[in-house]
Order: sequence, then structure tokens, then C-alpha cells
Amino acid sequence: EAQVTQNPRYLITVTGKKLTVTCSQNMNHEYMSWYRQDPGLGLRQIYYSMNVEVTDKGDVPEGYKVSRKEKRNFPLILESPSPNQTSLYFCASSLWALQSSGANVLTFGAGSRLTVL
Amino acid sequence: AQSVTQLGSHVSVSEGALVLLRCNYSSSVPPYLFWYVQYPNQGLQLLLKYTTGATLVKGINGFEAEFKKSETSFHLTKPSAHMSDAAEYFCAVSDRGGSYIPTFGRGTSLIVHP
Repeated sequence: EAQVTQNPRYLITVTGKKLTVTCSQNMNHEYMSWYRQDPGLGLRQIYYSMNVEVTDKGDVPEGYKVSRKEKRNFPLILESPSPNQTSLYFCASSLWALQSSGANVLTFGAGSRLTVL
Repeated sequence: AQSVTQLGSHVSVSEGALVLLRCNYSSSVPPYLFWYVQYPNQGLQLLLKYTTGATLVKGINGFEAEFKKSETSFHLTKPSAHMSDAAEYFCAVSDRGGSYIPTFGRGTSLIVHP
């Protein structure tokens, strides 16, 4: 089944304890992205990647890191989590077709709910 | 840069009533337009999209949306709401021939009353 898999789905951690949220897709998609969802603010993009070894900042990158060493994986790293990073996180991927790139549909993971105490 | 406005963070309807969720975009060139739905405890999934051609687009679960260039709108409708339609709905746009990066609206929570 074509899907985006995120882990963990739920995590409670404490301030300053490094954590990684993994994201993997099995559709050979070039484009991958991380979003956070907060009440009243909708989806905000954290980082995205057009292909292996190519990453760029989204709208709210502060406090996060990413890497894209393999096409299928795009982990989100919180080096020193803080309470304001408590949120629902989504990974998404899409085929990157130069001819009609803007019309490509994002496939989302089920989400990772993170609480930082 | 593109912006997307969804009017109303919450919309409440009775079961069987018309559903209307509003979306307006800001762009002089019509973008690609999408509606995504997020059911409780799930990720987002595509409802429908407009790329070119017919301005009335049909999606899954009886939803449809109409692209109106003169109004820069892409409102989502469904003639008769079901309890199972209760979810968060997001409008999104991306530029034609420009940045691939989609811009999402803030979402509208659809509440369906029995």
C-alpha cells in the first residue's frame, strides 16, 4: 500500500531532550515536507526537500533540523525541544513532475502528536 | 506570495443540509487549487483539485467545488451533509509555473448536528 509512515504517533518528552520523528514513504516521491498543525493556525510548513541532499526552510524552521540522505526517508530532529514545540506534526510527500509540478497532490502521514513538558 | 483565506474557522450544519465552505485566494494568475479533508486522528487526504478545464470539479464523498476566476474563489459544497462529513477542511493553492510549494488555508472545522 502506498503510504507515508511517521513514528512515533504519540510522544511526551521533557524540555531539552533531543528527539527524532521519522518519516518514510514507499512511493519513490522526490518531494517531502514537514508541517506542524496548531489550533487556529492551520498547517505551517517547517522544512521541505526537493530531492536527496536538497532541503530548504519553510515558514517556521526555528528549533528544527532535517536531513534527506535517502529518497524514502525525511526525519525531523528537535535538538533541544521546548514547550512551544508541542504540536501535531505531519510529514507529506509528492511526486515532483517538472511539467505540472504545482498540480501534484500531497500524500500525508497520519501525524505525530508531540508534547514537550 | 500566494495567500489563501478560508472564511469561518467553524461551520455548523444539520444533517441533510447544504454544506458550503468558503475559500478565496490572492493571485493575479489562477493557481492550482485543492481541497483536503482531515478526519479525526488522521492525516490529510485529497478531496478534489482544479488544474484546468471545467471549472466545476467533483471530488470524493459527494463534494464538489467551483473555480470562479472573477471572484478568486474555490468554494466547496455538498448538497446534503452526513454525520460522517464532520472533519477539518483545508483549501490549498500552488502557483502555475512557479514555486511548487503549496500554501494552505487555516482550515474550517465542519460540525454536523443530527
